[in-house]
Amino acid sequence: GQQLNQSPQSMFIQEGEDVSMNCTSSSIFNTWLWYKQDPGEGPVLLIALYKAGELTSNGRLTAQFGITRKDSFLNISASIPSDVGIYFCAGPSMTTDSWGKLQFGAGTQVVVTP
Amino acid sequence: EAGVAQSPRYKIIEKRQSVAFWCNPISGHATLYWYQQILGQGPKLLIQFQNNGVVDDSQLPKDRFSAERLKGVDSTLKIQPAKLEDSAVYLCASSPTNTDTQYFGPGTRLTVL
Repeated sequence: GQQLNQSPQSMFIQEGEDVSMNCTSSSIFNTWLWYKQDPGEGPVLLIALYKAGELTSNGRLTAQFGITRKDSFLNISASIPSDVGIYFCAGPSMTTDSWGKLQFGAGTQVVVTP
Repeated sequence: EAGVAQSPRYKIIEKRQSVAFWCNPISGHATLYWYQQILGQGPKLLIQFQNNGVVDDSQLPKDRFSAERLKGVDSTLKIQPAKLEDSAVYLCASSPTNTDTQYFGPGTRLTVL
C-alpha cells in the first residue's frame, strides 16, 4: 500500500532560521496538503497543492508539489516561536474512487528556541 | 464562518465502558470524516460519510466502533466496549463535495484506563 515518509522527524531551530521539511510517497499523488497541529488542537490546513511543479506561498510558508508527483516540500522562512508544532503532509489515497481518503505522514516536530 | 465543533474535548473511562463523541461539521459541508490519532502518529481515517451515507468504513473496527450521521449534518462516533489501545485523539473533519481539502475540529482526547 501507499506510504508517506516525512523527514526529518524533528528539528530544533533558532528563531529567525529557515526550516525545510519534505514528504515522499511510494506512489503518485494528485494532491498534496500540508497541515500544522498545535498541542491539544486539530490539524490546521496550511497549503494545498494540486499540480505537479506548483509552488504556493502562504505568508512565510512555501510549499512545492514535486515534478515526479511523488514528493513535496514545505519551507518556513524566518521562523518565530509560534511556528512550534507538528507539521503533517497528507494526500488522497489512489486506491479508491472516493474523494478525501487522506493518508498522513508521521509528522515533523518543529521546536523553535529564542 | 464557524469551524468544525467537537465534544467533549476530553474523556477518561475504564476499559469495557462505552463512550460517544459528537461532531458538527462546517455548514454546507457534505462530507464528514472521523479519524483516530495515536500519540506520535498522523491521523488515520476511520469512516467517511457523504451526506448521511457511508462512503468508506474499511478501517473502522466494527466489532466495537460505530458511527452515524442520520440527518446528514452532525455525527456521533461510539466505542463499546472500549479497550486500552483505544486511547487516542478522535478527530472529526469535514469538506465540501468533491474536494480533498479537509478542515479539522479540535478533537476529543480519550484515555482508557
